[in-house]
Amino acid sequence: DGGITQSPKYLFRKEGQNVTLSCEQNLNHDAMYWYRQDPGQGLRLIYYSQIVNDFQKGDIAEGYSVSREKKESFPLTVTSAQKNPTAFYLCASSIGRAAEAFFGQGTRLTVV
Amino acid sequence: AQTVTQSQPEMSVQEAETVTLSCTYDTSENNYYLFWYKQPPSRQMILVIRQEAYKQQNATENRFSVNFQKAAKSFSLKISDSQLGDTAMYFCAFVLTQGGSEKLVFGKGTKLTVNP
Repeated sequence: DGGITQSPKYLFRKEGQNVTLSCEQNLNHDAMYWYRQDPGQGLRLIYYSQIVNDFQKGDIAEGYSVSREKKESFPLTVTSAQKNPTAFYLCASSIGRAAEAFFGQGTRLTVV
Repeated sequence: AQTVTQSQPEMSVQEAETVTLSCTYDTSENNYYLFWYKQPPSRQMILVIRQEAYKQQNATENRFSVNFQKAAKSFSLKISDSQLGDTAMYFCAFVLTQGGSEKLVFGKGTKLTVNP
């Protein structure tokens, strides 16, 4: 079945550590997005990519990094520079601006 | 500046009644696409309805319809015959073209509760 998969569902990180969230899609979508969701803040865009080996910063990119080496994969690294990383993270993909975006089930990151 | 604004953080409606969720947006483009997404307690995002800006006819999907006012940059969602399963966060979104790239941006959401 085609879809978009995020892993893990829950992730715990110690302060000062980097952690990588996985996002894989088999929908053959060009565009992929990472969002952070906090209560009352909606979905805030972290990074997005429209083609392989190219990506752009979103509205809250500080303390995060991404790569897009393959069309199917768009991992997000939360670095130690991100001061408040505890949040729910959503990955999405789309075939283009006119089309529906498909979302993963999310990763809940908690700093302990 | 907020690109997509949802002015109602929370709303409630009685089962079987109608409710309208508001959304305004800002763009200088003439051709764009607007979306409403639903996020139930499971947190899985689901597309509710989609509107193409160059189409004057308002989009409709079963009990869900939009009131699209292009000049006013308004895109409200009407839910008719509300059901308990409609309880969710609702997000308005559109694709913003910026610096040659396209990004999907969301409002802050409206939490809708359908009461029995």
